[in-house]
Amino acid sequence: DIQLTQSPSSLSASVGDRVTISCRASQSVSRYLSWYQQKPGKAPKLLIYDASTLQSGVPSRFTGSGSATDFTLTISSLQPEDFATYYCQQSYSTPLTFGGGTRVEIK
Amino acid sequence: QVQLVESGGGVVQPGGSLRVSCAASGFIFSSYGMHWVRQTPGKGLEWVAFIRYDGSNKYYADSVKGRFTVSRDNSRNTMFLQMSSLRAEDTAVYYCTKDVAPAAPPGDFDHWGQGTLVSVSS
Repeated sequence: DIQLTQSPSSLSASVGDRVTISCRASQSVSRYLSWYQQKPGKAPKLLIYDASTLQSGVPSRFTGSGSATDFTLTISSLQPEDFATYYCQQSYSTPLTFGGGTRVEIK
Repeated sequence: QVQLVESGGGVVQPGGSLRVSCAASGFIFSSYGMHWVRQTPGKGLEWVAFIRYDGSNKYYADSVKGRFTVSRDNSRNTMFLQMSSLRAEDTAVYYCTKDVAPAAPPGDFDHWGQGTLVSVSS
């Protein structure tokens, strides 16, 4: 199984900050990597798929980059509605797997 | 708009069985693969199962293989997850999710239901 390791597991940031979240795969997943945002009590929401393709309706302040084993989600200017938990997920092979999550909190 | 509505969750004893359903609308259900993803309370996400758009291929997480069965009825736009030999560690919110691309291998999840809670406890 492909393991996904996210870092950090949590971070504190202020509105307007640039935030970067890392996801490292235990083996190459090519560009089959997506990012999700989850708020408390809600289902996750797809932000980015194929490493860097922005899902329809997602603000352009979210960008994804990377390939093979190292990927990054960047929020260019953190907004109040962005405080949430973020997960990466690989679809290179089954079983599909998720990272452990990164909680973004208000500083 | 795409809607996915899960139902059938509840409390079941260890070793018991339960079937959860997912009613889909707002897209051509018979063209898309569908998944079940679960989330343990307060914890992370775990992919459970995938069924191809036509039901011809199914994939399972090792943790549920042999105990859970995914199926679909394209005439009713509904997907099912039959769970048997349930264990305490199966306690979770079960989400029905739609794959991003039509007629594709298991991929990403672009729409999610609200989830249904399955609690395995004596």
